[in-house]
Amino acid sequence: SQQGEEDPQALSIQEGENATMNCSYKTSINNLQWYRQNSGRGLVHLILIRSNEREKHSGRLRVTLDTSKKSSSLLITASRAADTASYFCATDSTGGGNKLTFGTGTQLKVEL
Amino acid sequence: DTGVSQNPRHKITKRGQNVTFRCDPISEHNRLYWYRQTLGQGPEFLTYFQNEAQLEKSRLLSDRFSAERPKGSFSTLEIQRTEQGDSAMYLCASSAQALYGYTFGSGTRLTVV
Repeated sequence: SQQGEEDPQALSIQEGENATMNCSYKTSINNLQWYRQNSGRGLVHLILIRSNEREKHSGRLRVTLDTSKKSSSLLITASRAADTASYFCATDSTGGGNKLTFGTGTQLKVEL
Repeated sequence: DTGVSQNPRHKITKRGQNVTFRCDPISEHNRLYWYRQTLGQGPEFLTYFQNEAQLEKSRLLSDRFSAERPKGSFSTLEIQRTEQGDSAMYLCASSAQALYGYTFGSGTRLTVV
């Protein structure tokens, strides 16, 4: 079953613009993670934010977490064509047995 | 190559045949996961090992599916009597600790004809 839902399902922007993706989830979590997947490939871990953290940065990535609203957002600044991929949020739920439950993903297309 | 390795990359099989996939995790990682992903969806959890112990199985994992991780190193996922609905990408991932992210392999794409 899918835990989270990403919004929007698809996003198309111009190179240099910022891209924001949102994730909502249903249960209490230990941490939330974001992954990127290029077409037909495995997923690549981008960033992890713990339940007691509200914001985290890594390079051009900024993640926020609002546990009261059970939501997270991923911001990619100054996007590049190479950022074109699907982005998934994944939750490590409290009592969930240390497995990740993935959302449905946002397809990002960055055009030149 | 120190990443997660999955073999084969692609498998085409006839309905009713058995298939087996292999995953070699990062050697220092004691946790190993199997996920299934269909087109346009996020990965769905199948099963999880800590060392050689299979700690959790999804209800998605019918009795036609079996996974092993002998000696806590590589893992195999076997699907018996394949059905067309089994067509999907099968992803393996490993991690060192619960608070670390997963490292995924490139997946095995199964097509059942």
